Amino acid sequence: EVQLVESGGGLVQPGGSLRLSCAASGFTFSSYWMSWVRQAPGKGLEWVANIKEDGREKYYVDSVKGRFTISRDNAKNSLYLQMNSLRAEDTAVYYCARDAVVGYYYDSSGYHYYYGMDVWGQGTTVTVSS
Amino acid sequence: EIVLTQSPGTLSLSPGERATLSCRASQSISSNYLAWYQQKPGQAPRLLIYGASSRATGIPDRFSGSGSGTDFTLTISRLEPEDFAVYYCQHYGSSFSWTFGQGTKVEIK
Repeated sequence: EVQLVESGGGLVQPGGSLRLSCAASGFTFSSYWMSWVRQAPGKGLEWVANIKEDGREKYYVDSVKGRFTISRDNAKNSLYLQMNSLRAEDTAVYYCARDAVVGYYYDSSGYHYYYGMDVWGQGTTVTVSS
Repeated sequence: EIVLTQSPGTLSLSPGERATLSCRASQSISSNYLAWYQQKPGQAPRLLIYGASSRATGIPDRFSGSGSGTDFTLTISRLEPEDFAVYYCQHYGSSFSWTFGQGTKVEIK
């Protein structure tokens, strides 16, 4: 069964740090980009960061740049999010998700790919409060 | 940066009715990179539609997507009780980043 399981959430004071983990199983983890997506209480989804299959490319939403670091260990089938200098507005459920090529087609100009987040974990809750 | 605006914020309908949800992009985007998700309370999102109009694996055919350029639509032809949820559109940008719309809640009238 394809599965993502997050852990590491909890209560932390403003300015503190936390490291989230996401354990992948049931698929070849090293073949996929991976993302972190968060959802503040009662709010919508916000993409936070993603990382290439080999870990050499990483991208972040502006609001977390310089504070959060995404990483992965393909030998352990694990994704991580190191969160430093946490703020109240970082309070959210954090999901890991698989970035995937979910479809493709071929025409005269070559192959064209469709992308989506096709596997999600159940989420881990981060609360930043004093 | 692409901004996705969904409307309406809330849609109040009865089972069996048709739901039409809108997602408007701040500039023209490729339909290849437009997806829709469903999220039920306490659950993770689920991929419904990719490439603006293709159903993901296991998604019933009462769900359909359409659109191009800046205007995209998710249609649920006949609402089932399990379809009452929040729906998000999403765009995959050229800088390998993702953007979500703010969501449309489909609630029971």
